[in-house]
Amino acid sequence: QKEVEQNSGPLSVPEGAIASLNCTYSDRGSQSFFWYRQYSGKSPELIMFIYSNGDKEDGRFTAQLNKASQYVSLLIRDSQPSDSATYLCAVKGEGAQKLVFGQGTRLTINP
Amino acid sequence: GAVVSQHPSRVICKSGTSVKIECRSLDFQATTMFWYRQFPKKSLMLMATSNEGSKATYEQGVEKDKFLINHASLTLSTLTVTSAHPEDSSFYICSARDQVSRAVGEQFFGPGTRLTVL
Repeated sequence: QKEVEQNSGPLSVPEGAIASLNCTYSDRGSQSFFWYRQYSGKSPELIMFIYSNGDKEDGRFTAQLNKASQYVSLLIRDSQPSDSATYLCAVKGEGAQKLVFGQGTRLTINP
Repeated sequence: GAVVSQHPSRVICKSGTSVKIECRSLDFQATTMFWYRQFPKKSLMLMATSNEGSKATYEQGVEKDKFLINHASLTLSTLTVTSAHPEDSSFYICSARDQVSRAVGEQFFGPGTRLTVL
């Protein structure tokens, strides 16, 4: 079983709709959870992180964390074609230096 | 803030030569830097973690004699691919973290270096 799992997609969402990206993780001691966006041929850029159960909102993005279910998600409201990218979920374990990345979900927003 | 640069952005070299890639934190002190490689349409693969002033910690399966990492200052880490071969062709990306982000763990990525070995 992979430590961090994401549906590789592709996930197609019409412009203006809500895109929902999901991620599960296996280490119950995980402390911090990150969402990165990576455009084709570019390096990842941090969208947001979350470490407390519940929701965290930043503009059109909302991260949701449920530690009991070992599940973290990212919602993108009012999706734009510029949101088309691969979204990487990353998890930091307790006391760990490194992040463990999922394989990424490729999101396409259709005009 | 939290800007990380990499140089060069793209390099083409002949098989058997060595290539050095630099990673710099421009507006913060990077106590820890990470080196990743990424193949097309694949996720990031962590190669090694380096803390300033100490030896890098390599992930299992990564040859430390082939991928030399130096983190001599709080703003600079280098990755040298020694005796490069075509199978070393990949997208190499560094990331950095400072003392402030250490507890949470967020990493800031450089723009990456695309290495092609002929």
